[in-house]
Amino acid sequence: DTAVSQTPKYLVTQMGNDKSIKCEQNLGHDTMYWYKQDSKKFLKIMFSYNNKELIINETVPNRFSPKSPDKAHLNLHINSLELGDSAVYFCASSPRTGDQPQHFGDGTRLSIL
Amino acid sequence: GNSVTQMEGPVTLSEEAFLTINCTYTATGYPSLFWYVQYPGEGLQLLLKATKADDKGSNKGFEATYRKETTSFHLEKGSVQVSDSAVYFCALGGSTLGRLYFGRGTQLTVWP
Repeated sequence: DTAVSQTPKYLVTQMGNDKSIKCEQNLGHDTMYWYKQDSKKFLKIMFSYNNKELIINETVPNRFSPKSPDKAHLNLHINSLELGDSAVYFCASSPRTGDQPQHFGDGTRLSIL
Repeated sequence: GNSVTQMEGPVTLSEEAFLTINCTYTATGYPSLFWYVQYPGEGLQLLLKATKADDKGSNKGFEATYRKETTSFHLEKGSVQVSDSAVYFCALGGSTLGRLYFGRGTQLTVWP
């Protein structure tokens, strides 16, 4: 069983469109994260939720909106996609915030045409 | 503030060579330290960790020792294999930090 699963794996779309990425974890963890990885492999945290409550919101455009319907799910919706949004987006989870190791999904590669 | 500095890559080695990837950190309090590995097309996986000074984390032949005096957590392996080719990330975290802070990653390529 996949611990942290993201869908879709690949997403190719045009500028200006709206898209969503879904993430689910079956580890029973309380905390979930979204990261953006650019073409140079730099990993930047975007959001973190603990038990459905937003706890980290880095400097991310308002076009990005996370939603956590329950603690096992954290979805990412992106409005009005721009070329600079092209990246790999990773979902992760950990038992709680802080020093716990994080478990990562395999990523969603978003390409904006 | 909290930050991690890793040696820049890419690092290219021949099989069976010795590997060192340097990592230093700046942190408040007493963080835990981690190394993650990312194989091509995959997410990050925890490779090893250390939770306090002088702890040594080890896994799959990789080792790293938490050095508080030099604020370092260098990754080492005595004999690399082609299958070790990946991107390696150093990270720090802690209950007071509330999150992990990642370095920029180091690409390792091992040739047969």
